[in-house]
Amino acid sequence: DIQMTQSPSSLSASVGDRVTITCRASQDIRNDLGWYQQKPGKAPKRLIYAASSLQSGVPSRFSGSGSRTEFTLTISSLQPEDFATYYCLQHNSYPRTFGQGTKVEIK
Amino acid sequence: EVQLVESGGGLVKPGESLRLSCAASGFTFSNYNMNWVRQAPGKGLEWVSSIDGTSSYIYYADSVKGRFTISRDNAKNSLYLQMNSLRAEDTAVYYCAREVAITMVRGVTPDYWGQGTLVTVSS
Repeated sequence: DIQMTQSPSSLSASVGDRVTITCRASQDIRNDLGWYQQKPGKAPKRLIYAASSLQSGVPSRFSGSGSRTEFTLTISSLQPEDFATYYCLQHNSYPRTFGQGTKVEIK
Repeated sequence: EVQLVESGGGLVKPGESLRLSCAASGFTFSNYNMNWVRQAPGKGLEWVSSIDGTSSYIYYADSVKGRFTISRDNAKNSLYLQMNSLRAEDTAVYYCAREVAITMVRGVTPDYWGQGTLVTVSS
């Protein structure tokens, strides 16, 4: 099984800050990785697919990069509505595996 | 408009069964792989099971293998999850999500998700 190690598990940041979240895969997953944002009581929302493709309608301050085993989600200038939990997901093989999540909180 | 609506959740006792449904609309259901993903209270996301568009390829997480059965009815645009021998650790919100297939095992990041249905297993 492919393990996804996501870091950090939480972070405190201010509005306007640049935020970076990382996911490491235990083996090569090509670019078969996506990023989700989840707010309390809501379903996950896809932000990034195929490692670096921005979902239509998602603000351009969100970006994804990486391939094979190292992936990054960057929020270039954190906005109040971005405080949420973020997850990566590998869909290269079964079982599908999520990262543990990163909770982004207000400093 | 793409919509996925889960139903069938509820409170059951350990060892009992439950069947979840996911009604799909707004897209050609048979063209997509479908997934069940769950989230225990206060915890992260956990993939549960996937089925391809023709029900030819089915996959399960080890934690549910032998107890849960995924199925679909393309004529009814519906996805199902039959859950038997339920345990307290199966307590979670269950989401269905659609996925474009690339190969038998590779897909594109699931895009649309339902709102979820809560399953509580408690005596």
